[in-house]
Amino acid sequence: QKEVEQDPGPLSVPEGAIVSLNCTYSNSAFQYFMWYRQYSRKGPELLMYTYSSGNKEDGRFTAQVDKSSKYISLFIRDSQPSDSATYLCAMGGSSGNQFYFGTGTSLTVIP
Amino acid sequence: DAGVTQSPTHLIKTRGQHVTLRCSPISGHKSVSWYQQVLGQGPQFIFQYYEKEERGRGNFPDRFSARQFPNYSSELNVNALLLGDSALYLCASSPWGLAGQPNTGELFFGEGSRLTVL
Repeated sequence: QKEVEQDPGPLSVPEGAIVSLNCTYSNSAFQYFMWYRQYSRKGPELLMYTYSSGNKEDGRFTAQVDKSSKYISLFIRDSQPSDSATYLCAMGGSSGNQFYFGTGTSLTVIP
Repeated sequence: DAGVTQSPTHLIKTRGQHVTLRCSPISGHKSVSWYQQVLGQGPQFIFQYYEKEERGRGNFPDRFSARQFPNYSSELNVNALLLGDSALYLCASSPWGLAGQPNTGELFFGEGSRLTVL
């Protein structure tokens, strides 16, 4: 079983739609949860960071962590064509040494 | 402020050769990690270094090695290259251990070094 599971998509939505991206994980020791955005042939860019459980909002982005279900989500409101990218979830334990990434979900926002 | 810088950005090698990739972290960050990203996959952890000591190692063969220098920059070395080593090699620095801050666990990535092995 993989440490982190993420639906690779691709996901295609019209501009202005609400996008929901999700990951599940198996290791209950994970404490750090991140979402990265990666444009083609570029390095990942940190979007959202959450420690332990709960919700976090930053502009159009909301990250949710449900440790009881081992499930994390990223919501993008009022999606824009510039949001078209691959979104990677990542998580790790309290040591902060090693982080496990999902395979990424490819998102296209159509104008 | 400068982000994480990596060099070279692209390189082509043949099987059996050796490669050295370099990384300069964000100023003030003492932790550097290396990840391998194969096309269509998420990054996979190779090494983490903090204060010049190896603090973590992923499931990679001994052909992979790394080190961190006193200025916190880092090198990743790969010997006896195989076709399967073709990938984007990402360096990330972290404020983990930054004076006065807790272990945040955040990673800030460079643009990567794209290695092609022929």
